[in-house]
Amino acid sequence: QSVLTQPPSVSAAPGQKVTISCSGSSSNIGNAYVSWYQQLPGTAPKLLIYENNKRPSGIPDRFSGSKSGTSATLGITGLQTGDEADYYCGTWDTSLGAYVFGAGTKVAVL
Amino acid sequence: EVQLVESGGGLVQPGGSLRLSCAASGFTSSNYWMSWVRQAPGKGLEWVANIKQDGSAKNYVDSVKGRFTISRDNAKNSLYLQMNSLRAEDTAVYYCASPSHITLHGFDIWGQGTMVTVSS
Repeated sequence: QSVLTQPPSVSAAPGQKVTISCSGSSSNIGNAYVSWYQQLPGTAPKLLIYENNKRPSGIPDRFSGSKSGTSATLGITGLQTGDEADYYCGTWDTSLGAYVFGAGTKVAVL
Repeated sequence: EVQLVESGGGLVQPGGSLRLSCAASGFTSSNYWMSWVRQAPGKGLEWVANIKQDGSAKNYVDSVKGRFTISRDNAKNSLYLQMNSLRAEDTAVYYCASPSHITLHGFDIWGQGTMVTVSS
């Protein structure tokens, strides 16, 4: 049972938009930066968004992040078949003294 | 090329021990807290432990406290995870992960992972 809550799956047609929520508390999202990771099947995770809303070099601007209070959101616009993957939010939890991940959200392109 | 390469995984019996290694290259790993993250088959990511730049501070997820020990050798650009009293639920791919110059608040650099299977 993760302290960060994500929907198990989201789906949309190619070209459409999806959003993935990540809900936490004041001991984690409320007081720390949120990162988002993309994990394609059979590969290691990849940093997609850092410090709530910044994209590493090479990440298309179709991917965006935001944070408000104790929740964060990842948005993917112009959905492509190559975006089918698992997406995880992550942040430091000061109460646990540990880095925590959400349980992950599987994105399906219909 | 910036790279983390894990090694040391394998099959071990319950109650046994294993030592994982992670070799860093292409960046100054000694500048960062380094972490181990694991992923059980078909499951999500779970952070396991991290260690401060000089090794003076360490943190662990509750489920491995007292059984796992994280360490590093900055002269060898290496990170380690000593795993004792292994249980079936420790079966997972173990990744070495690090922040980078773009952010200290997330894992920008990941290894390819090493599989640990705990089974009799």
